[in-house]
Amino acid sequence: DSGVTQTPKHLITATGQRVTLRCSPRSGDLSVYWYQQSLDQGLQFLIQYYNGEERAKGNILERFSAQQFPDLHSELNLSSLELGDSALYFCASSAFGHSGNTIYFGEGSWLTVV
Amino acid sequence: QQQVKQSPQSLIVQKGGISIINCAYENTAFDYFPWYQQFPGKGPALLIAIRPDVSEKKEGRFTISFNKSAKQFSLHIMDSQPGDSATYFCAAATTGTASKLTFGTGTRLQVTL
Repeated sequence: DSGVTQTPKHLITATGQRVTLRCSPRSGDLSVYWYQQSLDQGLQFLIQYYNGEERAKGNILERFSAQQFPDLHSELNLSSLELGDSALYFCASSAFGHSGNTIYFGEGSWLTVV
Repeated sequence: QQQVKQSPQSLIVQKGGISIINCAYENTAFDYFPWYQQFPGKGPALLIAIRPDVSEKKEGRFTISFNKSAKQFSLHIMDSQPGDSATYFCAAATTGTASKLTFGTGTRLQVTL
């Protein structure tokens, strides 16, 4: 158990809908990351937050947004969903925001868009 | 642009054998190279990591070999066990206040009896 908690574990929704994925980082970790894992794209970095502020942005679509709250939990919002958004979404956390800190991954949220 | 290339895509090794997975990177600014292990239905878990100031790091049966001039690094799993059957990802990152891991495409390892 990495200590990173993600909800929901599984989600099925229709195209055009909006969903919110939630992440609680490990106790004391200030940095949260979101990754998308799909068969054709592998593990892709989406976005990183550090102590409530956006720190780095990757291949995140404009239809997707994220935030980190004062209690350090994070939410990833996916809107106008398309079939191609079906993937496993991972949240990860680390103590600080710089490389070299071990990044711990949650077990992911499976999103299926039908 | 794929910045970390990983091979092979899949690997079958007999129990007790050596599993070798290779990665090559393009960005010379990368200075942190972790390997992650992922079991089905689970998130990736850090296995071992190396910085470019050393050429080799060993932790138990797992060894990273690093060749800075060739921009290549590899994972060796000695005495491979069926419990090692998983997908392995190499990754790379740059030092700085922002940190993101760029992952390789993964290697599915199967260790047979």
